[in-house]
Amino acid sequence: DAGVIQSPRHEVTEMGQEVTLRCKPISGHDYLFWYRQTMMRGLELLIYFNNNVPIDDSGMPEDRFSAKMPNASFSTLKIQPSEPRDSAVYFCASRSSQGIEAFFGQGTRLTVV
Amino acid sequence: AQSVTQLDSHVSVSEGTPVLLRCNYSSSYSPSLFWYVQHPNKGLQLLLKYTSAATLVKGINGFEAEFKKSETSFHLTKPSAHMSDAAEYFCVVSDSYWGKLQFGAGTQVVVTP
Repeated sequence: DAGVIQSPRHEVTEMGQEVTLRCKPISGHDYLFWYRQTMMRGLELLIYFNNNVPIDDSGMPEDRFSAKMPNASFSTLKIQPSEPRDSAVYFCASRSSQGIEAFFGQGTRLTVV
Repeated sequence: AQSVTQLDSHVSVSEGTPVLLRCNYSSSYSPSLFWYVQHPNKGLQLLLKYTSAATLVKGINGFEAEFKKSETSFHLTKPSAHMSDAAEYFCVVSDSYWGKLQFGAGTQVVVTP
């Protein structure tokens, strides 16, 4: 298996623009997590899904952030409009209901200027 | 509620000497615990996991960790550091149902020749 695949790896955008981050979980995994990593706050859980259904989005910082999982093999995290303080590395992770460990993608480094 | 505290933000060791990274956890039930490693500009890789089986857990690259319930600790050790061990290490606790991961603040390991 190729592991969790995230795209793009790097994104630079101007303040006010819409940004869409993408994630393909490991095939067969039924949990998907979105995390954000910053120097100030470390790794924070934003939202997670089970069987494509959002379970807890209490970590989503503002209404500007939204996430979807239209099918078992694809999820998006969207920021609209983006702001410089959204600059961070965003990680997607997936887990099987048969296991306890999560597998992480390589991350998307977002820079909003 | 659950949380982890990594007691050292930075650890510097000489190549060939032992490494000790300290972690204390707080959990209202029997936790699942993990250590993840992050090399510069890379994703998060699972080093090892504890799931209430053996209290001494062996992981990849010669790392191991010991779960001590009485001390609520899960310290990570390696007998002999290698230059490639230079990275950031995260102690992580998981709720047993959804698999939400709560990350510690991380310990940056520097290995000197």
